[in-house]
Amino acid sequence: QSALTQPPSASGSPGQSVTISCTGTSSDVGGYNYVSWYQQHPGKAPKLMIYEVSKRPSGVPDRFSGSKSGNTASLTVSGLQAEDEADYYCSSYGGSNNRGVFGGGTKLTVL
Amino acid sequence: QVQLQESGPGLVKPSETLSLTCAVSGYSIRSDYYWGWIRQPPGKGLEWIGSMYQSGSTYYNPSLKSRVIISVDTSKNQFSLKLSSVTAADTAVYYCARDRALTASFDYWGQGTLVTVSS
Repeated sequence: QSALTQPPSASGSPGQSVTISCTGTSSDVGGYNYVSWYQQHPGKAPKLMIYEVSKRPSGVPDRFSGSKSGNTASLTVSGLQAEDEADYYCSSYGGSNNRGVFGGGTKLTVL
Repeated sequence: QVQLQESGPGLVKPSETLSLTCAVSGYSIRSDYYWGWIRQPPGKGLEWIGSMYQSGSTYYNPSLKSRVIISVDTSKNQFSLKLSSVTAADTAVYYCARDRALTASFDYWGQGTLVTVSS
């Protein structure tokens, strides 16, 4: 069982927006602004899409955005494209005793 | 361009020790950042194993702490993972990655290597 809870699946049509949630506790997501999001295509390594809740690494399209409210973080993908179909994982700093906790992943399908 | 490459045996027997090395190119481990290991069982999600700093300071997942050792060899610009007393549950793709700030924010990843635990 993963430390952070994500919906197993999400979907949207090309051009639409979709939001994926990531729920933790006050000891991880809610306690720090250190939530990251990763995109993983089949057979590939994960790719960092968002860090520190809402910051985008260089090269990540601005269609990807992150936010947080209380113990729940969210990743929004706007203007869905076929290549956005992938698994998405959230992670969070979990305090000095557990520096890294991940969500179980969400499979995003572009209809 | 920062590149990471995992290497090590693809098959380990139960109760033995899994050993992997991550060679880093395009960036000196001595410079800055943390360096970590993450694993992914087949068809499942990601799990942080642990991270280390170039000084040798290490930080482990509490659930694996008793079996994990992460070490660094700055002369070779590489770091290593040892996981002892393995069982079938340790079968996974093992990734090494650069940890931006010891906050589970990994910006560069290796391609991953599958390690199977089986007799």
